[in-house]
Amino acid sequence: EVQLVQSGAEVKKPGESVKISCKGSGYSFTTTWIGWVRHMPGKGLEWMGIIYPDDSDTRYNPSFQGQVAISADKSINTVYLQWRSLKAADTAMFFCARRDASGSYLDLWGQGTLVTVSS
Amino acid sequence: SYELTQPPSVSVSPGQTASITCSGDNLEKKYACWYQKKPGQPPVVVIYQDKKRPSGIPERFSGSNSGNTATLTISGTQAMDEADYFCQAWDSSSAVFGGGTKLTVL
Repeated sequence: EVQLVQSGAEVKKPGESVKISCKGSGYSFTTTWIGWVRHMPGKGLEWMGIIYPDDSDTRYNPSFQGQVAISADKSINTVYLQWRSLKAADTAMFFCARRDASGSYLDLWGQGTLVTVSS
Repeated sequence: SYELTQPPSVSVSPGQTASITCSGDNLEKKYACWYQKKPGQPPVVVIYQDKKRPSGIPERFSGSNSGNTATLTISGTQAMDEADYFCQAWDSSSAVFGGGTKLTVL
């Protein structure tokens, strides 16, 4: 089955770090761009950045540059989204999504990972 | 940076036609797509490359893109279509999303 499966929900305190994952299967994972999207409660979808797992070429939305790190381990078909020091304002649902072969849309989405940051 | 603008909300009666617009500078020069987002679920693409429907998406969903405006049209709207809808285009390697439109079927 073609799918992206994300890691489970995280509950963290401000200042802590976290790394969430997105594992692909059923298709050529390493040669397809994977992006991350933030969805805050009651807000819209926000593009965070994208990575090409085969060579880890990464492009960040300037709004998120320096705030998060996107990485990949192509040996296990997994991409990651990491924070070094969380803030309460980082509380959100995060989705990974595959950019389709034509490059025109996001055709496959993970189920989402909820990150809650609270003291 | 590139921006896409959507109306915050649209209301429609069951069986009627709903139209949701997405405005951006020279949007017709880019491909627009539309995602349906329901609470607790990931987004689902309902229209891509302006007017193409993925397999499994009902025929009542259609799209167009001309000038500065892309439009998602839902004909014969059903209660199950109540959701948030987001348009999206690409600005270089970055996806740009509209602010989203809450479609209410009442």
